[in-house]
Amino acid sequence: GNSVTQMEGPVTLSEEAFLTINCTYTATGYPSLFWYVQYPGEGLQLLLKATKADDKGSNKGFEATYRKETTSFHLEKGSVQVSDSAVYFCALSESGGTSYGKLTFGQGTILTVHP
Amino acid sequence: EAQVTQNPRYLITVTGKKLTVTCSQNMNHEYMSWYRQDPGLGLRQIYYSMNVEVTDKGDVPEGYKVSRKEKRNFPLILESPSPNQTSLYFCASQDRAQETQYFGPGTRLLVL
Repeated sequence: GNSVTQMEGPVTLSEEAFLTINCTYTATGYPSLFWYVQYPGEGLQLLLKATKADDKGSNKGFEATYRKETTSFHLEKGSVQVSDSAVYFCALSESGGTSYGKLTFGQGTILTVHP
Repeated sequence: EAQVTQNPRYLITVTGKKLTVTCSQNMNHEYMSWYRQDPGLGLRQIYYSMNVEVTDKGDVPEGYKVSRKEKRNFPLILESPSPNQTSLYFCASQDRAQETQYFGPGTRLLVL
C-alpha cells in the first residue's frame, strides 16, 4: 500500500535559518503530494501541493518539488520565522489528478523556531 | 466563512459510555472523512463518505461508526469507548473538483 515517511523530529532552529524537512513516499500509481501545517491548538491546513512530477508547490516562502525519480517531496524555506513553529505533515492522495481520495500522512515533524 | 466545525472540542469520558462527536461543513462538499492523530503515527483515516448515505471504512475503523444522512453533517459515534480510543480526532471535507481537504479544529478525547 501507499506510505509516507518524514524525517525524525523535532527540529529546532534559530530565526532566519534554512529549513529542510525530508519526505519520501511509496505509491502504486501517480499520487498528488501535499504539505499540511498544524499550528498549536488548531486543525491542519494546506500549505502547498504538487500534482505531477517536477511540479513545484510554493506558499508563504515554503517550497517543495515533486521528484518522481527519488520519490521525494522535501519541504524547504530559506529563512524561518518564529511564527513558522508548528507541526508539518507530508501526505499523498491515493487518487491522482482531479479525483478525490484518502490522504495518507507521514508521522509529522515538529518545528520550533527560536528568536 | 467556509469552515468545518466539530463538537465538542474536549471530552473526558469513561469506558463503555456511548458518545458522539459531531462534524459539520458549510461548503457543500460531497466528501467527508474522519481521522485520528496519535504521536509518532501521523493521521490515520477512520471512516469516509463520498456522499449522502455512502460511507466506507478507512484504515482504523474498529470501534467506530458513522452516518451521513445530510450532506453537511458527518457524526462519529463511539458505541462503547475504550482507553485505546484516547486520541485527537479530526473531521475533514473536500470538494470533488479540488484536491484540498479542509480540516476541523479537532476533538481531544480522553477515555478513562
